[in-house]
Amino acid sequence: IAGITQAPTSQILAAGRRMTLRCTQDMRHNAMYWYRQDLGLGLRLIHYSNTAGTTGKGEVPDGYSVSRANTDDFPLTLASAVPSQTSVYFCASSVDRGYNEQFFGPGTRLTVL
Amino acid sequence: AQSVTQLGSHVSVSEGALVLLRCNYSSSVPPYLFWYVQYPNQGLQLLLKYTSAATLVKGINGFEAEFKKSETSFHLTKPSAHMSDAAEYFCAVSSPTGNQFYFGTGTSLTVIP
Repeated sequence: IAGITQAPTSQILAAGRRMTLRCTQDMRHNAMYWYRQDLGLGLRLIHYSNTAGTTGKGEVPDGYSVSRANTDDFPLTLASAVPSQTSVYFCASSVDRGYNEQFFGPGTRLTVL
Repeated sequence: AQSVTQLGSHVSVSEGALVLLRCNYSSSVPPYLFWYVQYPNQGLQLLLKYTSAATLVKGINGFEAEFKKSETSFHLTKPSAHMSDAAEYFCAVSSPTGNQFYFGTGTSLTVIP
């Protein structure tokens, strides 16, 4: 049982470059989420998707975009990376939106120079 | 707007001692509250959640939390700490729509042998 996989595990990126973080779940969950984790700030929601074909903005969406073409995949794209986007990124999913347990992936450590 | 505040970014306890991690919430409506644990270099795992069914919520690994509306608190406790409890703990609250999740800044628990 894989659960949620994220790729890459880590990445060093030059500022201004485009980057897509991949997230795939095999649990057929409807809802998916992207968070960034920064020291002293906890986790902050970037974007979410309640079901395939729909997405919404979280607390810190600027500079990021997402798509949800199918149930399993929820990629996060940085169109033009900036150093302030250096962070650890976590993808999560839940059966449905709201009050259900979220299952988290192992994270992607991104450094923007 | 919903938010949570975790008091104490670092807590140290002796093995076998009581664990108390504090979380206060701010919510305009009855909240859904969560505690998650993060072990080093891993994603988050759900410890327990409050969904208004009972004020005392029991979770995994011997943890429990009590919802106190009068104090707007949802503190996490464990009667006897184990070395394996050393981790980062996050309190979280969901928005009434269930689309947004707000995490606290986290409390790092150290267990001293």
